[in-house]
Amino acid sequence: DSGVTQTPKHLITATGQRVTLRCSPRSGDLSVYWYQQSLDQGLQFLIQYYNGEERAKGNILERFSAQQFPDLHSELNLSSLELGDSALYFCASSPGTLNTEAFFGQGTRLTVV
Amino acid sequence: GQQVMQIPQYQHVQEGEDFTTYCNSSTTLSNIQWYKQRPGGHPVFLIQLVKSGEVKKQKRLTFQFGEAKKNSSLHITATQTTDVGTYFCAVNSNYQLIWGAGTKLIIKP
Repeated sequence: DSGVTQTPKHLITATGQRVTLRCSPRSGDLSVYWYQQSLDQGLQFLIQYYNGEERAKGNILERFSAQQFPDLHSELNLSSLELGDSALYFCASSPGTLNTEAFFGQGTRLTVV
Repeated sequence: GQQVMQIPQYQHVQEGEDFTTYCNSSTTLSNIQWYKQRPGGHPVFLIQLVKSGEVKKQKRLTFQFGEAKKNSSLHITATQTTDVGTYFCAVNSNYQLIWGAGTKLIIKP
């Protein structure tokens, strides 16, 4: 158990809909990262927050947004969903922003039908 | 921006054979991390290398960081079925981890 909690574990929704994925980082970790992993693909970095502020942005679509709340949990919002958004979405946390390992949650498997 | 190339994409081995994956960067790295993702699982941190020429071992796994800190390798001796999964390298750059594409270790039946 990495200490990172993601909910829900599975999500099935229709095209055009909006969903929210939630992540609770490990106790004490200030950084939260979101990744997208399509079937048998690598990890695509989406966005990172550090202590409530956006710190780095990757290949995140405009239809996607995220935030980190004062209690450090984070939410990833995906809107106007398309079939191609079906993927595994991982959240990871780390104590800081540099030279620290990342601890991953179990992921949310999103299926868009 | 920072990129890291990881090869090969797949490696098929007989159980008991060795496995190696390589990561290369065009720029000097401050450190490199290695992760393992089992099928259906999430990436799990294995190790971080920081020093030039560093070699670290974890049982049958040997991790190396090049002298110029531009490349790294992970070598598994005498693979077992429990080694199956995808191995990723990752490097710190501008507050994010830049990931290699991963090498999938497949054990031939």
